[in-house]
Amino acid sequence: QVLLQESGPGLVKPSGTLSLTCAVSGDSINTINWWAWVRQPPGKGLEWIGEVYHTGSTIYNPSLKRRITISVDKSKSQFSLNLRSVTAADTAVYYCARKSFYYDTTGHPSAQAFDSWGQGTLVTVSS
Amino acid sequence: DIQLTQSPSSLSASVGDRVTITCRASQSISSYLSWYQQKPGKAPKLLLYATSTLQSGVPSRFSGSGSGTDFTLTISSLQAGDFATYYCQQSYRTPPTFGGGTRVEIK
Repeated sequence: QVLLQESGPGLVKPSGTLSLTCAVSGDSINTINWWAWVRQPPGKGLEWIGEVYHTGSTIYNPSLKRRITISVDKSKSQFSLNLRSVTAADTAVYYCARKSFYYDTTGHPSAQAFDSWGQGTLVTVSS
Repeated sequence: DIQLTQSPSSLSASVGDRVTITCRASQSISSYLSWYQQKPGKAPKLLLYATSTLQSGVPSRFSGSGSGTDFTLTISSLQAGDFATYYCQQSYRTPPTFGGGTRVEIK
């Protein structure tokens, strides 16, 4: 059973950089899965931030692309998020998650879904 | 981005009730739809993927249907542990997007 655990500061000053790490255990980070970050502002819905593959390839949400970097450290079985120039609007619970791929009976891709999640960490942007 | 609109945004129901939640996409997403359950203070939990395939360990009272732009999540007989917020999510196009959520409350 894969376990994901977020870590990082719970408070970041405006204009600063939010940095979080997700430790992966119970599964190799070197698989066909992608590793993602999703956030949820207090009382609101879910927003996909971006994801990384074990090769270092990344896909980012265009709305955040200018401010984010997601990287992977295979030797430590972890991946990280850096979000620059934060404002109060970036206050949220940040989740890391594993994105898995599913195939139909003929072997064709049929879905992708976030099947394992960390417990989440609240990051507040405030001076 | 593909927009997902869930309805209703909230509902009240009793244990044993049949509950249906709908998710409408702003364009066709084939069957690339997943459903998640989220309880307060917890991470989302994957219930179904590919519209109607139950994730391992998810009770069979949960079912999904639809294709193209219109999808439904049905709970055949609501149990106490099912009171939560439910989200749909599309994986047809990047960025993956989520619906706004449906909160299922106790009547």
